[in-house]
Amino acid sequence: DAGVIQSPRHEVTEMGQEVTLRCKPISGHNSLFWYRQTMMRGLELLIYFNNNVPIDDSGMPEDRFSAKMPNASFSTLKIQPSEPRDSAVYFCASSSDLSGGQETQYFGPGTRLLVL
Amino acid sequence: GNSVTQMEGPVTLSEEAFLTINCTYTATGYPSLFWYVQYPGEGLQLLLKATKADDKGSNKGFEATYRKETTSFHLEKGSVQVSDSAVYFCALSDRGNDYKLSFGAGTTVTVRA
Repeated sequence: DAGVIQSPRHEVTEMGQEVTLRCKPISGHNSLFWYRQTMMRGLELLIYFNNNVPIDDSGMPEDRFSAKMPNASFSTLKIQPSEPRDSAVYFCASSSDLSGGQETQYFGPGTRLLVL
Repeated sequence: GNSVTQMEGPVTLSEEAFLTINCTYTATGYPSLFWYVQYPGEGLQLLLKATKADDKGSNKGFEATYRKETTSFHLEKGSVQVSDSAVYFCALSDRGNDYKLSFGAGTTVTVRA
């Protein structure tokens, strides 16, 4: 199993540019999560999907952030326009099901974003 | 709401020393408890978990016991190695929060040879 795949691994962009982060969950997993990690705030859940449907996007910081999951094997997180305060490591995670709460979330390697 | 409080770091140890990282939680329901580990430059990996009171999770020499009476899930390892240097996160999920993971702030552990 290839695990959760994220691309790009590193992204450097200028303020105002659009940034798109990509995630391929583990095959057969039907829940997908986007997290942001910073020194100041730690790990924050931004949004999660179940069966490709957004369930809770209350963690999305503002309208500049949007996420989609057009099919079971692909999700994107877009920031438009980007700002320096968006600099962080963005993780995608997937799990097999939300029911029961015992299921492990498997994390991707993350995308390190730097907005200049 | 749910919350996780874990011991602040950083923690620096010598090889073969005993490691304890304290973790306590607050939950509205009956949570599952997890320890995740993040090695430098990598994503989080599940280290161990426990889903009911008095369960002991164990992996790679690490152990943690689900203590409902003290709402704790402390992580221990009897003899650490340099390769255990990482950030350790305590986390919980429960039905009351739609099974979303609530993470602690993380504890950075450095093991010196």
